[in-house]
Amino acid sequence: SQTIHQWPATLVQPVGSPLSLECTVEGTSNPNLYWYRQAAGRGLQLLFYSVGIGQISSEVPQNLSASRPQDRQFILSSKKLLLSDSGFYLCAWSSPRERGPGNTIYFGEGSWLTVV
Amino acid sequence: AQSVTQPDIHITVSEGASLELRCNYSYGATPYLFWYVQSPGQGLQLLLKYFSGDTLVQGIKGFEAEFKRSQSSFNLRKPSVHWSDAAEYFCAVGPRINDYKLSFGAGTTVTVRA
Repeated sequence: SQTIHQWPATLVQPVGSPLSLECTVEGTSNPNLYWYRQAAGRGLQLLFYSVGIGQISSEVPQNLSASRPQDRQFILSSKKLLLSDSGFYLCAWSSPRERGPGNTIYFGEGSWLTVV
Repeated sequence: AQSVTQPDIHITVSEGASLELRCNYSYGATPYLFWYVQSPGQGLQLLLKYFSGDTLVQGIKGFEAEFKRSQSSFNLRKPSVHWSDAAEYFCAVGPRINDYKLSFGAGTTVTVRA
């Protein structure tokens, strides 16, 4: 079965410091990968998605970047964090489109980021 | 572009009572529709999904949802709520072409009182 791991679970970082959140998926190949952010009291905002190694699409202009160095690894980064980057970050995956339409998105457990 | 609205920010229901969460979507054709549940501090878990066919969809934990094309709605229901159902619920819609780009509603928080 497929599993998704995301870490660290909790992170407190000072303003201006770098960020690296890592996500890996096991039990599948060539997944679609996503980073979502959930700010307090708000819904989920899609930040990045990737349909393959080195293929990253950004949904919103921001202080963050994403990379996919390996097929099942997705990294969310920032060179200098802002206070507004605080939130709950969720990595997610879905099967590639060629395996069927309307693929369900499966989420990791999330990472709490507090920028102080 | 598709969008989804969850009109109720917060709902309080008594244990054993029925629950209905509203979801309205905006899209030019029939999208894919999902309901997710999020317990505090956790990731999201899929409750159910609608792709095609029977408009009444059964999910896990005793939940069901009904797709109504004429009302652009996909409301979630449960006949008898348990205390463990206290959580935040998200409706999501996705277009049939770029089906990996889901749009989520803002969520409805459900509180269950004894």
